Amino acid sequence: QVHLVQSGAEVKKPGSSVKVSCKASGGSISNHVISWVRQAPGQGLEWMGGITPIFGSTNYAEKFKGRVTITADESTNTAFMELSSLTFEDTAVYYCAIIVFGNWGQGTRVTVSS
Amino acid sequence: DIQMTQSPSSLSASVGDRVTITCRASQSIGSYLNWYQQKPDKAPTLLIYAASSLQGGVPSRFSGSGSGTDFTLTISSLQPEDFATYYCQQTYSDIYTFGQGTKLEIK
Repeated sequence: QVHLVQSGAEVKKPGSSVKVSCKASGGSISNHVISWVRQAPGQGLEWMGGITPIFGSTNYAEKFKGRVTITADESTNTAFMELSSLTFEDTAVYYCAIIVFGNWGQGTRVTVSS
Repeated sequence: DIQMTQSPSSLSASVGDRVTITCRASQSIGSYLNWYQQKPDKAPTLLIYAASSLQGGVPSRFSGSGSGTDFTLTISSLQPEDFATYYCQQTYSDIYTFGQGTKLEIK
């Protein structure tokens, strides 16, 4: 059972970037798609993109292309999601997940505030 | 991207009721369909994968059916802990997408 632990809450200024980490324990992330999903306050779930670390291949939802970068470090069993050019509409809880196992991180709250 | 449309968006029901939520894909996705339950301020919990397979530890009152473009999640007898928001998600394409959610409320 892979357990995912995410980095802590962030407060960012508009126009800046945020990088959230997702560290796995109890198994390797290498062979699995690590997805990133966000949820704005009072809104639904939104799949942003994913990475398969062993191949280094990524897929991004059209909405986030050019603004999101998902990476992984197999040596530390950690995935990362970086979102740039932040606006107030990026205020949300960001989750990492291994969808196929139903394993989710605890979520990271990102607040964009001036 | 494949669009997922859930109905209804919200639903009021009573303990003991049988409830059905539907999810429609904009193109055929085979059986690559997951159902999640989410409670406030919690990460989603996987209930059903591959359209009809029950995730371990999930009560048997939850069931899923369908293939192609039309899917349903059924709760056979609502329990108090089932009042939550439910989402479908397709994993057929490399771009996974969620339905907009169905909020299940107590009548």
